[in-house]
Amino acid sequence: NAGVTQTPKFRVLKTGQSMTLLCAQDMNHEYMYWYRQDPGMGLRLIHYSVGEGTTAKGEVPDGYNVSRLKKQNFLLGLESAAPSQTSVYFCASGRDRDHSNQPQHFGDGTRLSIL
Amino acid sequence: ILNVEQSPQSLHVQEGDSTNFTCSFPSSNFYALHWYRWETAKSPEALFVMTLNGDEKKKGRISATLNTKEGYSYLYIKGSQPEDSATYLCAFPTGNTPLVFGKGTRLSVIA
Repeated sequence: NAGVTQTPKFRVLKTGQSMTLLCAQDMNHEYMYWYRQDPGMGLRLIHYSVGEGTTAKGEVPDGYNVSRLKKQNFLLGLESAAPSQTSVYFCASGRDRDHSNQPQHFGDGTRLSIL
Repeated sequence: ILNVEQSPQSLHVQEGDSTNFTCSFPSSNFYALHWYRWETAKSPEALFVMTLNGDEKKKGRISATLNTKEGYSYLYIKGSQPEDSATYLCAFPTGNTPLVFGKGTRLSVIA
């Protein structure tokens, strides 16, 4: 049982390039989340999804887009990367139709550097 | 965005010491309080999800208490070991909105 898998694990981009981060979960979870983690800032929510075909904005959505075409996958896109998007990105999933009572399961993170 | 405050920001203890730290959250419209353990170079792992005032949960040497009326939760570690070194995060959902995470307490246990 792999849990939550993120690809790639590391990436270096030049300013203006685009890329997509993939998150896959094999636990049949409804809810999926993308966070970024920056020094001194904690985990901040970028976008989330409460089910296949649905997405919503989190705390810091600007510069990112997401898609949830299949229940098991949640993609995070950077259309035109900026140095301010240098960060560690974590994907997480949650079991039930409720943000509150179920723990989130996290992937191992993607370290992204924008030069 | 609601604020979840954790204190202290960092903590250094000797092996064998017991320690505790605090998570403060808005006391109105309480739904649940989450604790996560986050080791360096790994991903956060859930420790506890607490939902009832007065709740006390325990996992090995780690325990947590919850006071929803005054808006705080304590995490206790008894007899700290070097493997307890990690950042401990608390997070607070507001019903239909996702978790808001605190910035964490970074614990270092010195052998």
